[in-house]
Amino acid sequence: KNEVEQSPQNLTAQEGEFITINCSYSVGISALHWLQQHPGGGIVSLFMLSSGKKKHGRLIATINIQEKHSSLHITASHPRDSAVYICAVRSGGATNKLIFGTGTLLAVQP
Amino acid sequence: DVKVTQSSRYLVKRTGEKVFLECVQDMDHENMFWYRQDPGLGLRLIYFSYDVKMKEKGDIPEGYSVSREKKERFSLILESASTNQTSMYLCASSFRGLLEAFFGQGTRLTVV
Repeated sequence: KNEVEQSPQNLTAQEGEFITINCSYSVGISALHWLQQHPGGGIVSLFMLSSGKKKHGRLIATINIQEKHSSLHITASHPRDSAVYICAVRSGGATNKLIFGTGTLLAVQP
Repeated sequence: DVKVTQSSRYLVKRTGEKVFLECVQDMDHENMFWYRQDPGLGLRLIYFSYDVKMKEKGDIPEGYSVSREKKERFSLILESASTNQTSMYLCASSFRGLLEAFFGQGTRLTVV
């Protein structure tokens, strides 16, 4: 069993829909990251969370430390949101070692 | 803006060749990382370095080595490329103790 599990693996939505991607983890963490990877490979950090909730534009990320669960929400989705969304947890220590989920492939259709 | 630059976006190499993947960051980060990304497996850590000339094995170091002679540059070396090393390779860097990591654009390596 992976230490970081994401669901769903694939998601197709219509433009304007509210989208939720989930991440569950089984290890102790000091922080959780949500990353976005567009076709072509480059990865961009969206959020870094250690508690509570963060919002940036149409993106919202929440984390529940007790339940070891995080969600990424996209409001009013748009085709340009189509990408792979990756959850990663930082397991602690000085080296910033990250453990990655396998990603959620999101396609938003116009 | 932080820049993590990988020397090539696409590479095609032959089995048995020695392959060098270069990564340079311009933010004076102590930590640098090499990952490979494969469908269904996500990103897996090959090697990381927390200082010049320091290196530690990640989860899948077999068949790879690394070099960090200067703080800004971290090289991944495939001593004798094999077809099972065909993958997307991603470099990342971060400050020691800082949570956020910055990624390069990735190098898609094909070994034929």
